[in-house]
Amino acid sequence: GQQLNQSPQSMFIQEGEDVSMNCTSSSIFNTWLWYKQDPGEGPVLLIALYKAGELTSNGRLTAQFGITRKDSFLNISASIPSDVGIYFCAGQMNTDKLIFGTGTRLQVFP
Amino acid sequence: KAGVTQTPRYLIKTRGQQVTLSCSPISGHRSVSWYQQTPGQGLQFLFEYFSETQRNKGNFPGRFSGRQFSNSRSEMNVSTLELGDSALYLCASTTANTYEQYFGPGTRLTVT
Repeated sequence: GQQLNQSPQSMFIQEGEDVSMNCTSSSIFNTWLWYKQDPGEGPVLLIALYKAGELTSNGRLTAQFGITRKDSFLNISASIPSDVGIYFCAGQMNTDKLIFGTGTRLQVFP
Repeated sequence: KAGVTQTPRYLIKTRGQQVTLSCSPISGHRSVSWYQQTPGQGLQFLFEYFSETQRNKGNFPGRFSGRQFSNSRSEMNVSTLELGDSALYLCASTTANTYEQYFGPGTRLTVT
């Protein structure tokens, strides 16, 4: 099935560092969503973006809807151990199916 | 407000059997989507139901089917199970006025 290109594939960082990940598509979307998934659980919605150029924050998380509508970025500032997990981007055009990225696995070391 | 619930959480079946998974969406959500998640393939879209009608469909064989009831609860069925059907099956419900999908905890299906 179709998937978005998400990078990096994995990250190993030290507690307190900032993290950046991004997602690119060959198609345009009018909705970008970012999720975090812990092992054995369903993904949890972190941030939703609806407008090109939009920048939205949720605590230490900041996400941006790319101006071309084909990409999105997620930044995590001052990482903590509970940030560990897999982060997924997802894009959608109107009521079409949601397309997911391949995921970024984040590991935070104390 | 209660979240999305899925039952059962874990299931072990034998090749050739069939299985039915259940999903109860968040109250007020009318759309339910189903996904298959495997380590190698990531999150793959199965189908979406809205107001008891299938609105979108992924690229899965006909062995995978679903339905939605008038109370928005949804079921998915997999017939003639294969080893490759072992996966985490996730359902997500969507708000009425946005496209935000909220996921349940998933059903872990193991086919032996």
